[in-house]
Amino acid sequence: DTAVSQTPKYLVTQMGNDKSIKCEQNLGHDTMYWYKQDSKKFLKIMFSYNNKELIINETVPNRFSPKSPDKAHLNLHINSLELGDSAVYFCASSQDGTGAPRVVFGQGTRLTVV
Amino acid sequence: AQKVTQAQTEISVVEKEDVTLDCVYETRDTTYYLFWYKQPPSGELVFLIRRNSFDEQNEISGRYSWNFQKSTSSFNFTITASQVVDSAVYFCALSGGNSGYALNFGKGTSLLVTP
Repeated sequence: DTAVSQTPKYLVTQMGNDKSIKCEQNLGHDTMYWYKQDSKKFLKIMFSYNNKELIINETVPNRFSPKSPDKAHLNLHINSLELGDSAVYFCASSQDGTGAPRVVFGQGTRLTVV
Repeated sequence: AQKVTQAQTEISVVEKEDVTLDCVYETRDTTYYLFWYKQPPSGELVFLIRRNSFDEQNEISGRYSWNFQKSTSSFNFTITASQVVDSAVYFCALSGGNSGYALNFGKGTSLLVTP
């Protein structure tokens, strides 16, 4: 059973298009995230949702919009795609509580904008 | 603000050598969490360890060991008797405080183990 699953795994699209990446977790976690990994492998938080509410929104262009229909899903919509959006996008989830949380990542979605 | 520094960009060792990956962090939070993740060439992020700021006990898991020292704000990772399968990018990360559980990653250390 996949704990955090993202679809699609690969996405190739043209500049200007709108696309979505879906993420689902079956761990019962309270918090979900989107991270972006650029071509230099640097990983940076984009969004964090706790119980369907946005709690972190880093300096991300407003062309990126997360949507959380329920606690188990956090989708990422990207409008008017640009070449610089090419990256690997990781979804993740974690459970609130005491102690260091274990953050579980999906397998990543490699987005290529041509 | 939180910051993680992995000064070693790339390390190359021969199989069976021991290797230590350095991680230095900065935070003003009294409660925080430290992590190591492995990213093999296949691209997924594999959780290795988590540690909270109140637990300075070092940990050993097979060939892996971690040395957490609050006095030097370091959380170093040692692989003993390295193997080719250890070749990957290793990320140290920090969370806690105002950042909640969102991870602030270092830039990663690329480890190449050759036969």
